[in-house]
Amino acid sequence: AQSVTQPDIHITVSEGASLELRCNYSYGATPYLFWYVQSPGQGLQLLLKYFSGDTLVQGIKGFEAEFKRSQSSFNLRKPSVHWSDAAEYFCAVGAGAGNNRKLIWGLGTSLAVNP
Amino acid sequence: EAQVTQNPRYLITVTGKKLTVTCSQNMNHEYMSWYRQDPGLGLRQIYYSMNVEVTDKGDVPEGYKVSRKEKRNFPLILESPSPNQTSLYFCASRLQRAGDGYTFGSGTRLTVV
Repeated sequence: AQSVTQPDIHITVSEGASLELRCNYSYGATPYLFWYVQSPGQGLQLLLKYFSGDTLVQGIKGFEAEFKRSQSSFNLRKPSVHWSDAAEYFCAVGAGAGNNRKLIWGLGTSLAVNP
Repeated sequence: EAQVTQNPRYLITVTGKKLTVTCSQNMNHEYMSWYRQDPGLGLRQIYYSMNVEVTDKGDVPEGYKVSRKEKRNFPLILESPSPNQTSLYFCASRLQRAGDGYTFGSGTRLTVV
């Protein structure tokens, strides 16, 4: 069955430290992959996406993610975290065929940033 | 500004009283979707629409209705709300190409008592 796993429910990092949020997926074909961020009381905002080409993708707010087919992973990284990065982060996989691909969502990772 | 607008942001209602949550997008997106977000269950799709007059069920459609009479609007209707529909609801839209990400609304916090 298609699924997305975000192994870390909650992560705390210090401001200025590097960050890596993990995402593993189960899907037979080449997936469309997304990372979204949800700040408190807000909707979800697209950080970055991948569906072909260079496996290292750059997103907004200084985030990047690397697609590793052999590991079925799409981990999100940031070299230096800012206090404003505290939020909930969701990984999603676009599964299915054509334009009607359905998004399979992970349960999210809550990021706290210590000053 | 390109956006998805949901109204209301917060709503408390009583069991059985019909309500509508509106959703409008100004990006000429073909694809629109409704999600509910619940702790421990994540985001679950309620209904989606690939274009005007084309709607289909998502994962949790029971107790909900939608319509897509115009491209920009995709209202969510709860004809007889129940307490188990207490949730945070999001409307989202995207272009027809599946590789494009969604633009989400700010959410509607619904409480049914």
